[in-house]
Amino acid sequence: QKEVEQNSGPLSVPEGAIASLNCTYSDRGSQSFFWYRQYSGKSPELIMSIYSNGDKEDGRFTAQLNKASQYVSLLIRDSQPSDSATYLCAVLNNNDMRFGAGTRLTVKP
Amino acid sequence: DTEVTQTPKHLVMGMTNKKSLKCEQHMGHRAMYWYKQKAKKPPELMFVYSYEKLSINESVPSRFSPECPNSSLLNLHLHALQPEDSALYLCASSQARVGNYGYTFGSGTRLTVV
Repeated sequence: QKEVEQNSGPLSVPEGAIASLNCTYSDRGSQSFFWYRQYSGKSPELIMSIYSNGDKEDGRFTAQLNKASQYVSLLIRDSQPSDSATYLCAVLNNNDMRFGAGTRLTVKP
Repeated sequence: DTEVTQTPKHLVMGMTNKKSLKCEQHMGHRAMYWYKQKAKKPPELMFVYSYEKLSINESVPSRFSPECPNSSLLNLHLHALQPEDSALYLCASSQARVGNYGYTFGSGTRLTVV
């Protein structure tokens, strides 16, 4: 079982819609959870972090964490073509960051 | 502009060459990391330095040799690489290794071994 699992996509949504990205992790001892955005050929960029159960909102982004289900998600409201990228879920476990394979999101104008 | 600077951005090297990748950060972070990323794959952890001491070496072949001259600099020395080592090499830093800190990545070095 992979430590961090994501649906690889591609996920395609129309401009203005809500994009929903999901991630599950295997280690219940995981402490912190992050979402990174990676444009093609570029490096990952941290966009959200979440440490407690529930929702955390930042602008158009909302991260959701459910530790009992070992599930973390990212919602992008009012999706824009510029949001088209690969979104990496990352889990901090034993002080080291482990990444999922990423979900490729395409927002169509 | 990224606050973690990596040089060079692109590198083509032969299998007998010796080269070095460099990484620099001035955010006062005390943990620095090397990751390797192949196309359409997640970044894979190679090395972790915490307070300039090597903390993790994820069974990386000895043809990769990390060095941390001071708290702001991180190098990756390359020698006798194989074509399958071609990848994007990412440097990252965080405030500390212990604690809930996200990582800041550099723009990466795209390495091609011929």
